[in-house]
Amino acid sequence: SQQGEEDPQALSIQEGENATMNCSYKTSINNLQWYRQNSGRGLVHLILIRSNEREKHSGRLRVTLDTSKKSSSLLITASRAADTASYFCATGGSNYKLTFGKGTLLTVNP
Amino acid sequence: SAVISQKPSRDICQRGTSLTIQCQVDSQVTMMFWYRQQPGQSLTLIATANQGSEATYESGFVIDKFPISRPNLTFSTLTVSNMSPEDSSIYLCSVDRGQADTQYFGPGTRLTVL
Repeated sequence: SQQGEEDPQALSIQEGENATMNCSYKTSINNLQWYRQNSGRGLVHLILIRSNEREKHSGRLRVTLDTSKKSSSLLITASRAADTASYFCATGGSNYKLTFGKGTLLTVNP
Repeated sequence: SAVISQKPSRDICQRGTSLTIQCQVDSQVTMMFWYRQQPGQSLTLIATANQGSEATYESGFVIDKFPISRPNLTFSTLTVSNMSPEDSSIYLCSVDRGQADTQYFGPGTRLTVL
């Protein structure tokens, strides 16, 4: 069964705006990862945040993790048309397995 | 990161036939995984394939339907057997190189069963 639930399911913004996607999960985790998928292709790893971390940055990406609320958010700043894709969160446990959420479809309009 | 290739990239198959998907990694890895992504859905783990041992299948997936081989540390195959239209999906392999538990994904195989 799916561990993560992304919110919103779809998001449409204008180029230059910020995009925020949320992910909630149900069980304890070792880490939480965010991936991007363009048009049904392979997944591109964006960022990993460990359960003992609260915030992480990578370029225009900012990820937060609140283990007490079992939730994470991904912020993309100054979005570009090329950011248009589906974004998935995935939770990792001690067994190296990843459990994926349903994803958020982000559309960035030029 | 890891460079992962999959063959074929896409295929259209007839009901009742089988298709073997190959996954090749540019370096040795211990853990390889196979996922299925049904149309418009998220990814679901099919099985974990470690070299030198039998694949471990997730609930709802069985070896007779999805036999997996892992002959060495850089290669694995997934066979989708006796296919039906419900097997139409993207099949992705991934690897864990032990680097902070990040998994790297192949480009996927888009399968359509008629």
